[in-house]
Amino acid sequence: EIVLTQSPGTLSLSPGERATLSCRASQSVSSSFLAWYQQKPGQAPRLLIYGASSRATGIPDRFSGSGSGTDFTLTISRLEPEDFAVYYCQQYGSSPPYSFGQGTKLEIK
Amino acid sequence: QVQLQESGPGLVKPSETLSLTCAVSGYSISSGYYWGWIRQPPGKGLEWIGSIHHSGSTFYNPSLKSRVNIFVDTSKNQLSLKLTSVTAADTAMYYCARQAPDHDYYYMDVWGKGTTVTVSS
Repeated sequence: EIVLTQSPGTLSLSPGERATLSCRASQSVSSSFLAWYQQKPGQAPRLLIYGASSRATGIPDRFSGSGSGTDFTLTISRLEPEDFAVYYCQQYGSSPPYSFGQGTKLEIK
Repeated sequence: QVQLQESGPGLVKPSETLSLTCAVSGYSISSGYYWGWIRQPPGKGLEWIGSIHHSGSTFYNPSLKSRVNIFVDTSKNQLSLKLTSVTAADTAMYYCARQAPDHDYYYMDVWGKGTTVTVSS
């Protein structure tokens, strides 16, 4: 089973700043089959990125994903007030189980 | 627009079976894709439970495999989850999700709003 470790656990930033979230895998993620999800309080997760770098439909271009192998990054170029939430990475390229990271909470500084 | 709606009893007694359904609208399950169940204990992260293809093939999280069954009812356009011998550790928000293809692998592109299940006597 691939274990995903996200860092930092909590990131405190101000609107307008740039956010960089990390997701590290315990072994190589096949063909960059890695997704990022955003979850706001009381809501279901929402797909942001799949295939490590492809934005899902309707996702603003301030969200970008990068990386390969064992190291992946979600970048939010200029934070908007609605971006403060918890972010999860997930790998879906290996045999089950599909594993999620433990999440990074992005909070307003 | 694809929408998923989970439903089921909010309270289940320990040792009993948890049964949930996920009604799909805006897309026919029999047209394709995988469909999955994911849960989230209060204040914690996400755990994948299992997935099913419209053809009926399934795969489950090994940690839950002995207690889980997922099946589809194409006539009702819904999928269902059964989890046996529940304990307090199964208390969680349960989500269903559509899984879209990325080559031969599948990510969760549409999620239901979730349904809360509490295991307590």
